[in-house]
Order: sequence, then structure tokens, then C-alpha cells
Amino acid sequence: AQSVTQPDIHITVSEGASLELRCNYSYGATPYLFWYVQSPGQGLQLLLKYFSGDTLVQGIKGFEAEFKRSQSSFNLRKPSVHWSDAAEYFCAVGGATNKLIFGTGTLLAVQP
Amino acid sequence: DTAVSQTPKYLVTQMGNDKSIKCEQNLGHDTMYWYKQDSKKFLKIMFSYNNKELIINETVPNRFSPKSPDKAHLNLHINSLELGDSAVYFCASSQDLTVTLEQYFGPGTRLTVT
Repeated sequence: AQSVTQPDIHITVSEGASLELRCNYSYGATPYLFWYVQSPGQGLQLLLKYFSGDTLVQGIKGFEAEFKRSQSSFNLRKPSVHWSDAAEYFCAVGGATNKLIFGTGTLLAVQP
Repeated sequence: DTAVSQTPKYLVTQMGNDKSIKCEQNLGHDTMYWYKQDSKKFLKIMFSYNNKELIINETVPNRFSPKSPDKAHLNLHINSLELGDSAVYFCASSQDLTVTLEQYFGPGTRLTVT
């Protein structure tokens, strides 16, 4: 069955520190992988996506993610977190059916 | 300019009532979606439409009926509301069915059933 696991429900980092949010997926075919961010009271916004080519993808707001097929992972990283990055982050996998399957999200808090 | 808009933003109603949520996108996209986000923030697709044709219909109760009068609109009508329907409902759109395309989300409609 297709699924996405985000092991960390809640993460707190200090402003300026580096960040890594974990995502593991289970998908029978070639996965298309996405990271979305949801600010409080807002809809979701796409940060980045991977579907082929270079396994390190760059996104908006200084985020990047690395696809590791052997580990079925697509972890999101940022070298230096800003207070405005506090939000809920969702990893998602999609396939030929165009149906996105989302993880349960990781809530990021940023300490001053 | 709002790309994907939803009305209302908040909806409080009693069990047994019928209500509708409206969604409009001005991006010229062919495909639109409805998602449900529960109290634990779990986001799950309910429906998708492409050029007004139903493409995805997840295991959603028959009380939920989407209607797409044209490509730019996808409304969600819910009959006989139940407590478990309380959630945030997101509308989204994408250029077409190609899975690699970004889905643009609306701001959500918070439905509270009392």
C-alpha cells in the first residue's frame, strides 16, 4: 500500500540552526515526491518536488531535499532556519493516478 | 489576485443540516480537487475533477457530492451533516492531471458541526 511516514510530529529548533525533517515513503512504482508547507490558517504551498534526475532538489525559501531510493526517504533540509519558517510541513507522494498521499505532517517551532 | 478561493472560510452548523462550500480558481487550470484535513492535520483527498469530469472519488460517504459547473468551479455539498464531518476542507487545482504539476491550494474552510 502507498503511504508516507513523517516520524517527527513536532520539532523545535533555534533560529539560525540547521533543520532536517524526515520523510519515508512506501510506493510500488517510481514515486513523485513533494514537500508542502502550511502556515497557520493558510492553505498548502509547494516547497519543492522530485520526479527524476538529480536526487538533490532545490526549492523555494532556501529549502532542499534529497531523494534516497535505497532508504525510501525524501528528507527536507535547510541550513539556517528563520523565525518565519515556523509552520506545518507535509511530505507527499504521487504516482500515475495523480493522487497525492500525504504524511501526517511535522510541526516546526522556531525559538528566538 | 487570489488564485484559489473558497467560501465560506468558517462554517458552523448543526447535525443533520445540509451545507455547501464553494471553490473557484482563476488560474485557468483543468483539474480541481477537494481534500479533508482532520483534527490531527491528516490530509486526505476526497475528489478530483478534470474538465468537469469526476476522476478520483475516494471512499467518501454518499452524503458528500461534488459539483463542477465549469472548469473554474468545484463546489462541495454535504447532506445530513455529522459530528465527524468537522474538519478543514481544502480545494486545490492543477494545470492538468499530470502528477508532477504543482497543486495550488485554497485557504481552507473550517467546518464545525455541533
